[in-house]
Amino acid sequence: GAVVSQHPSWVICKSGTSVKIECRSLDFQATTMFWYRQFPKQSLMLMATSNEGSKATYEQGVEKDKFLINHASLTLSTLTVTSAHPEDSSFYICSARDRGRLFGPGTRLTVL
Amino acid sequence: QKEVEQDPGPLSVPEGAIVSLNCTYSNSAFQYFMWYRQYSRKGPELLMYTYSSGNKEDGRFTAQVDKSSKYISLFIRDSQPSDSATYLCAMSAGSGGGADGLTFGKGTHLIIQP
Repeated sequence: GAVVSQHPSWVICKSGTSVKIECRSLDFQATTMFWYRQFPKQSLMLMATSNEGSKATYEQGVEKDKFLINHASLTLSTLTVTSAHPEDSSFYICSARDRGRLFGPGTRLTVL
Repeated sequence: QKEVEQDPGPLSVPEGAIVSLNCTYSNSAFQYFMWYRQYSRKGPELLMYTYSSGNKEDGRFTAQVDKSSKYISLFIRDSQPSDSATYLCAMSAGSGGGADGLTFGKGTHLIIQP
């Protein structure tokens, strides 16, 4: 069945480094994918909408130069957190539409 | 007023009880309504997906939408300890696949006591 996968499931990095998170749609194609961030005991906050073959649309307050999104194919979108800092530590979740909206398992990022 | 209001709980009920989870919203343009279950440190899992007003049943889960009152509910029958999780309501004006994202409630933390 249709599934959204993410890789890695967790990552620890040093401050100042860049981290790439992959989001894949399995058994379906996704022209649009969504990236969310979730802090502990908080709801999901939409960061950006990723469109295959075009530029991503970022929500207000999200730095597009810091959170680089690439949607190079109908099954893959990537989020790169550039020059990560401890305040970027969070749970990042991608989402795509099949029937309703499917979510990936999330990637826990810890920046030391 | 927030677009979607959801009591964060925690809501604690004994095993076997009927659970009622609710959300209210203010945007009358919302037409698509979803309920997600999220276990700790996991991504949300889609439980129910409904369009406009009415009821939808799937196993032990029943979703209700009352657009006139801007009120949606999720009922869980014969609740099990494995149902313990955070339940998020979500809604959108579009079909959920367009440029608009979903608007989420904060989630209700549900605890089913064995």
